[in-house]
Amino acid sequence: SQQGEEDPQALSIQEGENATMNCSYKTSINNLQWYRQNSGRGLVHLILIRSNEREKHSGRLRVTLDTSKKSSSLLITASRAADTASYFCATDGRGAQKLVFGQGTRLTINP
Amino acid sequence: GEEVAQTPKHLVRGEGQKAKLYCAPIKGHSYVFWYQQVLKNEFKFLISFQNENVFDETGMPKERFSAKCLPNSPCSLEIQATKLEDSAVYFCASSQYSFEAFFGQGTRLTVV
Repeated sequence: SQQGEEDPQALSIQEGENATMNCSYKTSINNLQWYRQNSGRGLVHLILIRSNEREKHSGRLRVTLDTSKKSSSLLITASRAADTASYFCATDGRGAQKLVFGQGTRLTINP
Repeated sequence: GEEVAQTPKHLVRGEGQKAKLYCAPIKGHSYVFWYQQVLKNEFKFLISFQNENVFDETGMPKERFSAKCLPNSPCSLEIQATKLEDSAVYFCASSQYSFEAFFGQGTRLTVV
């Protein structure tokens, strides 16, 4: 079964607002990553946060990681129409050479 | 190359026919992964390679799926005797040490 579960499954906001997506996982991890997928195309890597990090920023993206709660959040600030996509979290477990994906959050930015 | 190249982009097969998908990883990347995405939902891990060696095949259906990564050739994923339920987008990814995986654009397989 998939390790990650994402919340919400779908999110619709107005352009300019902030969007927050959450991801929970079940086992110990080395890293947690967030990816974006536009309309069935390939995944684009957004950001990686290591298990010993608590927060990371990249442009308009802010990722937090709480290993005690086994959860992560992705915040997109000042959203744009081009941010409309599905967002997936993925974890790689200790000793495992593979990513385990959540079910994704479908984000729609309304102009 | 600088990106993961998957071919073909689309593949249509009659039920029972064979399907073969190809992936050229980014040059210098040691790890290759195959994932299956059904209906734009979750990504199911199939198999991973470290160079030409199978690293983890726990996600591979045992009977009809096989994969290879041979030196100086694109990696391949082959499905014998396709079934309707194999219809999905198959993604290949490659990575080096950091687990930052780079994904190809996928091959959409439609079994009719």
